[in-house]
Amino acid sequence: AQSVSQHNHHVILSEAASLELGCNYSYGGTVNLFWYVQYPGQHLQLLLKYFSGDPLVKGIKGFEAEFIKSKFSFNLRKPSVQWSDTAEYFCAVISGGGADGLTFGKGTHLIIQP
Amino acid sequence: SAVISQKPSRDICQRGTSLTIQCQVDSQVTMMFWYRQQPGQSLTLIATANQGSEATYESGFVIDKFPISRPNLTFSTLTVSNMSPEDSSIYLCSVERDSTPTFGSGTRLTVV
Repeated sequence: AQSVSQHNHHVILSEAASLELGCNYSYGGTVNLFWYVQYPGQHLQLLLKYFSGDPLVKGIKGFEAEFIKSKFSFNLRKPSVQWSDTAEYFCAVISGGGADGLTFGKGTHLIIQP
Repeated sequence: SAVISQKPSRDICQRGTSLTIQCQVDSQVTMMFWYRQQPGQSLTLIATANQGSEATYESGFVIDKFPISRPNLTFSTLTVSNMSPEDSSIYLCSVERDSTPTFGSGTRLTVV
């Protein structure tokens, strides 16, 4: 069975700081990779996704992620965070077939201090 | 992306009762997925619902506790049966569009 590990459960940063959230998955086959964000009181929204091609993918709100196949990693980055980035961030994986639903990491609670 | 409507958006229920959550999608989809997000936790897949067949449940979830219906290609229901306070969670419906899972706004259930 596949699994997803997010290394940082709680992260506190100041505005304008750079962000990197780690995500590793365990699955030997083809995967589709996702980062979702959940702002306080809101539902899940897609930040970005990787299916194939350029391993550096750009998403909404200035976020990007890099897929490194050899490391089974899909880390999320943002060069300069804003107070409005305070949210819960989830890394998730679907195996190539897509019929098994998403496997989520435990999430990272990001707090940006003004 | 798909438009997913869930009802109710929230409810407070007495232990021992059951609640049925509805999920309506704006277009036909083959598979619909039900997830649970317990307080302060990540999302866990409960089951996958295909039209015309029984739902497929993940380990730790059983049909007697979480019966699912899928009467057509745009609608599904999840029932949380014989509820206990441990069932207090957000329950989310999800579908895939262009290989990308999209989520409804969820049903926040509190069992007292």
